[in-house]
Amino acid sequence: AQTVTQSQPEMSVQEAETVTLSCTYDTSESDYYLFWYKQPPSRQMILVIRQEAYKQQNATENRFSVNFQKAAKSFSLKISDSQLGDAAMYFCAYRSGNFGNEKLTFGTGTRLTIIP
Amino acid sequence: EAGVAQSPRYKIIEKRQSVAFWCNPISGHATLYWYQQILGQGPKLLIQFQNNGVVDDSQLPKDRFSAERLKGVDSTLKIQPAKLEDSAVYLCASSLGLGTDSTDTQYFGPGTRLTVL
Repeated sequence: AQTVTQSQPEMSVQEAETVTLSCTYDTSESDYYLFWYKQPPSRQMILVIRQEAYKQQNATENRFSVNFQKAAKSFSLKISDSQLGDAAMYFCAYRSGNFGNEKLTFGTGTRLTIIP
Repeated sequence: EAGVAQSPRYKIIEKRQSVAFWCNPISGHATLYWYQQILGQGPKLLIQFQNNGVVDDSQLPKDRFSAERLKGVDSTLKIQPAKLEDSAVYLCASSLGLGTDSTDTQYFGPGTRLTVL
């Protein structure tokens, strides 16, 4: 079974600074996808960024980028120029590449606080 | 485009009572998921539907939980009887159902927060 570990329960960053959230995972599969989801307080979960395991290039979405280290099974999220609206719980998630197994396996989350 | 709708948003019940949650996915989405998110944990899949068929219910406590998606559109999740440990947020998500395509994003609803006393 796949597992996802987020070792930082809470993180804080000054507004406009850069912060990195860590995630490691364990799998024996070669084909899979990794995601970061954001869950603002009392609001629904939304996708921040995705990474296909077969791609060597790290994904980027505006101020959000990942550092994907496949051999180390590490998938960290970097948020540049942090904004107040970035405050939320961030979940790292794994999805198998096998058909019929599209469920997301989530880590326990990192609560990010933005300091004005 | 309307998002995933869920109701009710909050529910408080006594243990041993029954409760039902409703989810209406994004129009055209073939795949529907129910996740359970216990406080301090990440969401955990309870059941996955592809149209009106069950794909994965391996983590659904079938002695007390049931779910259906009769016409392949909206879905209900029922708990009967509820236990204290069922207190959680129940999230519904939907996706187009493209299988292993990485662009097959799961869109989440606002969730139903259940408190069992």
